[in-house]
Amino acid sequence: EIVMTQSPVTLSVSPGERATLSCRASQSISNYLAWYQQKPGQAPRLLIYAASMRANGIPDRFSGIASGTEFTLIISSLQSEDFAVYYCQHYNNWYNFGQGTKLEIK
Amino acid sequence: QGQLVQSGDEVKKPGASVKVSCKASGYIFTSYGMHWLRQAPGQGLEWMGWISAYTGETLYAQKIQGRVTMTADTTTSTAYMELRSLRSDDTAAYYCARGVIMLQSPPRPFDIWGQGTMVTVSS
Repeated sequence: EIVMTQSPVTLSVSPGERATLSCRASQSISNYLAWYQQKPGQAPRLLIYAASMRANGIPDRFSGIASGTEFTLIISSLQSEDFAVYYCQHYNNWYNFGQGTKLEIK
Repeated sequence: QGQLVQSGDEVKKPGASVKVSCKASGYIFTSYGMHWLRQAPGQGLEWMGWISAYTGETLYAQKIQGRVTMTADTTTSTAYMELRSLRSDDTAAYYCARGVIMLQSPPRPFDIWGQGTMVTVSS
């Protein structure tokens, strides 16, 4: 089983600053890696797929980077609506999620 | 673009069953599959399984296999998830999400989600 590990668990960042979230796969997953944003009381929303491709309607302040089994989500200039929980997910024949990173206002 | 609308919240007693529906619109139902996931209060996302809306093939997570049945009604473009022998730790928000048409298809992420159905198991 492929295990997805996200870090940090909680990230405190000020509005307007840059946020960097990490996700590590326990083995190679090619680039079948997605990032989702979830706000309280809402369903998750797809942000990034194929490690670096933005989903429809996602602002370009969201970007994804892949390096081997290490994946990064960067939010370049945080807006108030970006404070949420972020999950990474491996989606090739099995569908494991990381435990999530809570992005909170500093 | 597509939309998934789930049935309403449920309260069940331990040992009972629950059946959650997920009605698709805005896309061709049989051109995709449907995943089911759940999220216990304050916890992360747990994938439960998948069904092809085209073939009816299913794939269930090992943890839940034996207690879950996923079906798809192509006449109404609706997917269903039934969970039996409910326990308190089944209390969670249950989500459907659009997925691949067949397991052999190119992988795709979960691009459309239902709004969630809260299932509470309590005596």
